[in-house]
Amino acid sequence: EVQVVESGGGLVQPGGSLRLSCGGSGFTFSDYNMNWVRQAPGKGLEWVSYISSGSRTMYYADSVKGRFTISRDNAKNSLYLQMNSLRAEDSAVYYCARFGGSYHIDYWGQGTLVTVSS
Amino acid sequence: QSALTQPASVSGSPGQSITISCTGTSSDIGGYNYVSWYQQHPGKAPKLMIYEVSNRPSGLSNRFSGSKSGNTASLTISGLQAEDEADYYCSSYTSSITLVFGGGTKLTVL
Repeated sequence: EVQVVESGGGLVQPGGSLRLSCGGSGFTFSDYNMNWVRQAPGKGLEWVSYISSGSRTMYYADSVKGRFTISRDNAKNSLYLQMNSLRAEDSAVYYCARFGGSYHIDYWGQGTLVTVSS
Repeated sequence: QSALTQPASVSGSPGQSITISCTGTSSDIGGYNYVSWYQQHPGKAPKLMIYEVSNRPSGLSNRFSGSKSGNTASLTISGLQAEDEADYYCSSYTSSITLVFGGGTKLTVL
C-alpha cells in the first residue's frame, strides 16, 4: 500500500525556521517526483514546491521562493522542506504529495500543521 | 501564478447531476491536457478523482467525469449521493513549470 507520512510541524515564532519531513513507503520512492502543497485554515490548496525524482530540478511558488528549500534523500525514502523566515501567512497544513505520471497528485499524506505565531 | 477560477458553491439533490467549472488561461488549462480534480472531505486529505482532463483512477466510480473546452475544464458528477458532499478542487500544469489549483467549490447535496 502506498503511503506518505509527514512530520515536523508545530508552533514557531515569526522569523523562525522549521523543517518538515515526509517518508514514503509501498512504492519505489526514487522513481517519483514529489511536491509540497499547503492549505491555510479554511482556505484552498496552494502548491508550494516540486522536486524531481533525482533532485535535478526544483521549483517553488513565488510566495516561498528564497525562503523555503525542498530536498530529498532517496536512500532514506524521504522528502524534506526547510522553511526559513516564516511568516504568519505560512500557517497551514502542509501535505507531502506524490506526482503521478503526468502532473497530477495521486497520493497525499495526511498533512502536518504549521502555525506561525508569537 | 493566479489561481484557477471555480464557483464557490454548487448544490444538487440526490440522483441529480451537477457540473463544476474551472477557468484558467492559455498558459495553463488551455495549453495542456494536464487538468486534474480532487475531492476533499472536512479534515481529510484531498483525493484524486480525475487526471489528464478526463481519466479516472482505477476503481473510481464512473459517476465522475471530466472534460475541457478551451480555457475551461469541467467536472460532472451524475447520480448525486450524500457522500459526494465535499470540497472539489481543480488543478492544472502551467507554463511557469508549476502546478496551480482552483479556489475550490463546496458541493452541497440537498
